[in-house]
Amino acid sequence: SAVISQKPSRDICQRGTSLTIQCQVDSQVTMMFWYRQQPGQSLTLIATANQGSEATYESGFVIDKFPISRPNLTFSTLTVSNMSPEDSSIYLCSVVRGFNEQFFGPGTRLTVL
Amino acid sequence: ELKVEQNPLFLSMQEGKNYTIYCNYSTTSDRLYWYRQDPGKSLESLFVLLSNGAVKQEGRLMASLDTKARLSTLHITAAVHDLSATYFCAVDISGTDKLIFGTGTRLQVFP
Repeated sequence: SAVISQKPSRDICQRGTSLTIQCQVDSQVTMMFWYRQQPGQSLTLIATANQGSEATYESGFVIDKFPISRPNLTFSTLTVSNMSPEDSSIYLCSVVRGFNEQFFGPGTRLTVL
Repeated sequence: ELKVEQNPLFLSMQEGKNYTIYCNYSTTSDRLYWYRQDPGKSLESLFVLLSNGAVKQEGRLMASLDTKARLSTLHITAAVHDLSATYFCAVDISGTDKLIFGTGTRLQVFP
């Protein structure tokens, strides 16, 4: 398995502000993924964080709203910019480890007022 | 566009009973995952199914994959309260490690 930590675990933010979420993995991985889980919903992939290159975003997600950094093979950040109440969700990072197993971090629960 | 559908969305079952959760997906895929999520928690990996006819079992849970029918099942045998959680299937997009998740099945097991 993989040991993945995220910071913060939860936050309550005001509309119009930005929050940066950190994801730390216990060993090097090639790709990291960011997902969003809106209240009572399933998970949706936001983007793939590649080390040494720009993140690739899925349809419906843009870099200006969700800028991502990947400075090394064990760390990534996701920023939720200019937040609105619709951004209230759980944000999770994930990595692939071993033979095709994908593991998820504990998640960051974001509430936007 | 790859779509993943689960049914039922909600399942209330009595302890000791058996039931099956179904996961249908719309295009070919190399890998299918099953995850468990407890309220307020992250996802716990249950199974990874890689080939047609694959079957994996862990305790009271058994997962199978039929790639020709694009169908996976998660069978629950003699349910116990501890199995109460939301179960998600997820399909890999053509070996990219990007996952498309099903809608989830919220399972409640009562005495």
